[in-house]
Amino acid sequence: AQSVSQHNHHVILSEAASLELGCNYSYGGTVNLFWYVQYPGQHLQLLLKYFSGDPLVKGIKGFEAEFIKSKFSFNLRKPSVQWSDTAEYFCAVNARSNYQLIWGAGTKLIIKP
Amino acid sequence: GAGVSQSPSNKVTEKGKDVELRCDPISGHTALYWYRQSLGQGLEFLIYFQGNSAPDKSGLPSDRFSAERTGGSVSTLTIQRTQQEDSAVYLCASSLQPGLEETQYFGPGTRLLVL
Repeated sequence: AQSVSQHNHHVILSEAASLELGCNYSYGGTVNLFWYVQYPGQHLQLLLKYFSGDPLVKGIKGFEAEFIKSKFSFNLRKPSVQWSDTAEYFCAVNARSNYQLIWGAGTKLIIKP
Repeated sequence: GAGVSQSPSNKVTEKGKDVELRCDPISGHTALYWYRQSLGQGLEFLIYFQGNSAPDKSGLPSDRFSAERTGGSVSTLTIQRTQQEDSAVYLCASSLQPGLEETQYFGPGTRLLVL
């Protein structure tokens, strides 16, 4: 069965630190990849997505993610985090032949001002 | 509306009672999904509607759960004889149409607490 693994459940960083959140999936075929973010008290929002083409995708608020097919990974990065990035981040994957999204357990990110 | 809306935003009920959760998708979106998010876990797929096709109910955890979508728009998720383990946030998402490159947009969720 497909699964998505997010390595860190909680991450605490200081402002201006660099961020990398890991996401690995298990599926051998062609996939769509997503990062969603949930800010405190708000609903899930799409941060960025990969369907095809350039494996380095840029999203909102300075986030980017790199799809490395050989490693089945889609890690989220931001060079310099801000206090407002405090949120929970979810990685999700679906096989391009299947609409069902498989979700990671989420990573709670806390940025210390 | 501009986004997916859900009601109520919070629901507290007693064990054994039935509850109905409503989802109003983005106008024009043909696909609608229900998910459940339990504390500390990712989203769990429940059910999928696409147009007039038969829904994919493969994620419903028990026969106490059912959902319908009227007129291809608003959807209602019903949980009968609620149990404490049903306590979770129930999320609805919609997408323009299913396809190879489909993005789901989420509502704010309904937080259900079963006492």
